[in-house]
Parts: sequence; C-alpha cells; structure tokens
Amino acid sequence: SQQGEEDPQALSIQEGENATMNCSYKTSINNLQWYRQNSGRGLVHLILIRSNEREKHSGRLRVTLDTSKKSSSLLITASRAADTASYFCATDSLTQGGSEKLVFGKGTKLTVNP
Amino acid sequence: DVKVTQSSRYLVKRTGEKVFLECVQDMDHENMFWYRQDPGLGLRLIYFSYDVKMKEKGDIPEGYSVSREKKERFSLILESASTNQTSMYLCASRRLPWVEQFFGPGTRLTVL
Repeated sequence: SQQGEEDPQALSIQEGENATMNCSYKTSINNLQWYRQNSGRGLVHLILIRSNEREKHSGRLRVTLDTSKKSSSLLITASRAADTASYFCATDSLTQGGSEKLVFGKGTKLTVNP
Repeated sequence: DVKVTQSSRYLVKRTGEKVFLECVQDMDHENMFWYRQDPGLGLRLIYFSYDVKMKEKGDIPEGYSVSREKKERFSLILESASTNQTSMYLCASRRLPWVEQFFGPGTRLTVL
C-alpha cells in the first residue's frame, strides 16, 4: 500500500531558483527519508529525518517534517542543472503486524533548466 | 563509501528462461532488499533478507525467489521469466532497521 505521496509529480524551474517538493503520508512514522534518482540509475539517500525532529539541513537541502499534518517538504536552494532528477520520499514505520517497513512514494520529477 | 553492485546494467532474456540477478555489497550490511521499479507504480518491494539464509516476502513476491548464502550477496531469481517481469530491478542494503538504504545502479531487464 502506498504511504508517501509526493507533490507535484513534475516540476520545472530555472537554474538558481529554489525547488520545493512535498510528501504526505497516512500513518505514524518512525522516520522519513528522501532519496534522489538520476535517470536510469539507482537511488541515492539524501536525508533522514526522525519523527521527533522538525527540520534538518544538508548543504543546499532543507527538509521539514510536520507530524501533526503528516507531511514533509524538501527544499533545494539555488538549484543547478545537475539537480535534475527524480526525488522520492520514503516513510519508515511499523506495520500492523509489528514489523518495520520502508515504503516509497512515486516521486517528483525535477527539471532544472540552464 | 558503501558500494552496492549489481551483476548487469542491461539484460535481455526470453520468455521461460531462468534469470539470475546478483547483488553484492561491501560494507557488511545485515539487511538486503530487492525492488522493482515501473513507470507510474514507483518502487515495489519483492523480497528482503535480514541476515544470511533468511528471507522475507515483500509486496510482490509472486514469480520470484531469492537466495542469501553469504552476507554480502543477495540473488534474485526469476524461475520462468515472463514479459510482465520486464522492469528495472534495484538492489539495496543497510546496516540495521530504521536507517538509510544504499542502492545499486539497477538492472534493466527486458523479457521478450
């Protein structure tokens, strides 16, 4: 079953602009992770934010988490053409059966135009 | 740096063939995963393994099996390939639950 849903599905911006991608989910989580995928390649982990954290930074990336709204956002500042990729959120949570599960959303395709 | 490698980047097989996809990680990770990725469907978990010789079904295990005889290697087996198994296959590993996963470059499998 789908947990994280990214919004928008696709985003096109100019180099130097900021890009914001959102992720909404339905159940309680332990943590939420963001990954990046260049076309035809594997996923690369960007940031992990735990349920008791509200904001996290890594270079030009800023992730926020609002557990009351069950949503997260990924902000890429001063975007570059090399940021062109698909971005996925993944929620890490306990299933009803008591096991841990990481569920990926369908991704936001970001295009940064030079 | 963690490195996860997959045996092939591109693979073309015929319907009914037995297909082996190999994944190797070099960081002594306990957990390993196989996903498939299809347009519009995102990543779906096929099988995972928490330790050597252990395996658990994911969301879409039908038509697949796995083998983990050594800690660093996790193999995905398509016993009799079918055209609906044409997809991108991604292997991942991690040290423990509740942490990030490290992905291989993917194998694009085409079944004719």
